[in-house]
Amino acid sequence: EIVLTQTPLSLSVTLGQPASISCKSSQGLVHTNGKTHLSWLQQRPGQPPRLLIFEISNRFSGVPDRFSGSGAGTDFTLKISRVEAEDVGVYYCVEVTQFPYALGQGTKLEIK
Amino acid sequence: EVQLVESGGGLVKPGGSLRLSCAASGFTFSNAWMAWVRHTPGKGLEWVGRIMSKIDGETTDYAAPVKGRFSISRDDSKNTLYLQMNSLKTEDTAVYYCTTDHYHWGQGTLVTVSS
Repeated sequence: EIVLTQTPLSLSVTLGQPASISCKSSQGLVHTNGKTHLSWLQQRPGQPPRLLIFEISNRFSGVPDRFSGSGAGTDFTLKISRVEAEDVGVYYCVEVTQFPYALGQGTKLEIK
Repeated sequence: EVQLVESGGGLVKPGGSLRLSCAASGFTFSNAWMAWVRHTPGKGLEWVGRIMSKIDGETTDYAAPVKGRFSISRDDSKNTLYLQMNSLKTEDTAVYYCTTDHYHWGQGTLVTVSS
């Protein structure tokens, strides 16, 4: 069973400043198809989840370019280059290789 | 535009049953792997189950907490996904979302299990 560990679990950031969230996997996530199916979800308060990043670093449709994903193997990172007020919410890393998909615990982002 | 609209949530007593529906549009539903995810304030997001497309065998998989009690099905002629929930427990109280295997998400429907 894959376990995803996110750090930090909460983040307080000044508007316009960068933010970074780490996600470490208990095992490698490279699929037999050669791709690494590690994604990032955002859930704003009272809203459904929204896909931000898939396959480590690909921004989903409509996602601002201030969001970026990176990593390889077992270590992955979501970065927000300049935090805006609308970025408040909880961020989850998720692997979608084998069901049940593993989810990180979530990182709560607030504005300082 | 992809749209997923859940319905069927409500208040049900422990041990009761409920069936959720998810009406899909804006994409080729029959080709899509679909899933149900739930959210509670205390536990966050939790995968409930997934169903593959018919061409991939319509295989279903479930998370351990719901295995044997919940069942996912699909009607490709109606572009609709279903979640049959039986033997409901108070800990099943959550907002339930349908998703195209984590890419697109519905707005969710609230299920409350309480006596």
